[in-house]
Amino acid sequence: IAGITQAPTSQILAAGRRMTLRCTQDMRHNAMYWYRQDLGLGLRLIHYSNTAGTTGKGEVPDGYSVSRANTDDFPLTLASAVPSQTSVYFCATRGSGGAVDEQFFGPGTRLTVL
Amino acid sequence: GQNIDQPTEMTATEGAIVQINCTYQTSGFNGLFWYQQHAGEAPTFLSYNVLDGLEEKGRFSSFLSRSKGYSYLLLKELQMKDSASYLCAVMDSNYQLIWGAGTKLIIKP
Repeated sequence: IAGITQAPTSQILAAGRRMTLRCTQDMRHNAMYWYRQDLGLGLRLIHYSNTAGTTGKGEVPDGYSVSRANTDDFPLTLASAVPSQTSVYFCATRGSGGAVDEQFFGPGTRLTVL
Repeated sequence: GQNIDQPTEMTATEGAIVQINCTYQTSGFNGLFWYQQHAGEAPTFLSYNVLDGLEEKGRFSSFLSRSKGYSYLLLKELQMKDSASYLCAVMDSNYQLIWGAGTKLIIKP
């Protein structure tokens, strides 16, 4: 693994179904984030985790849940998908202690809910 | 509320210079970031400003004025590969990033 991986790359999902988007990093970064990106809007934070064992709600958390059992994995679950959750989902990480502490992004998951 | 404003789209000519502006109003300020995002790809980090002034990195420079809530990204000697969206983001008092909607830059030969 190099950096951040996300799975699946894309998915078409029927409304009402449950779906888990996976995110795995090998950078040993403490902080991880889930964003959604929709046309004409900026990246919007869904949930975040500052360190393993802790999670927090972002700007648009409704309909989504996360867990952070260890440093590397940060799955995002849609309990019952709705068409408004059609979006591109990005997982990101952030290190700490560096001069900049920028966020690094995974390749994204394109989700369509019908 | 928190707000990041940047132009939706800009067009420039190969070899020229372009300046992409960003204005912000956020609860707290812990730095301003610029990211580049090519179509269908993930954002990648370009630059970071936390103090007023200009940061230069090759063909790209970024400027910050905290008192004015203003930043710009300057791209010199434009190349076709610079066609992308440029995202401005501010780190707020909770160390979360607040993102602008992005500026789509179109480079013409």
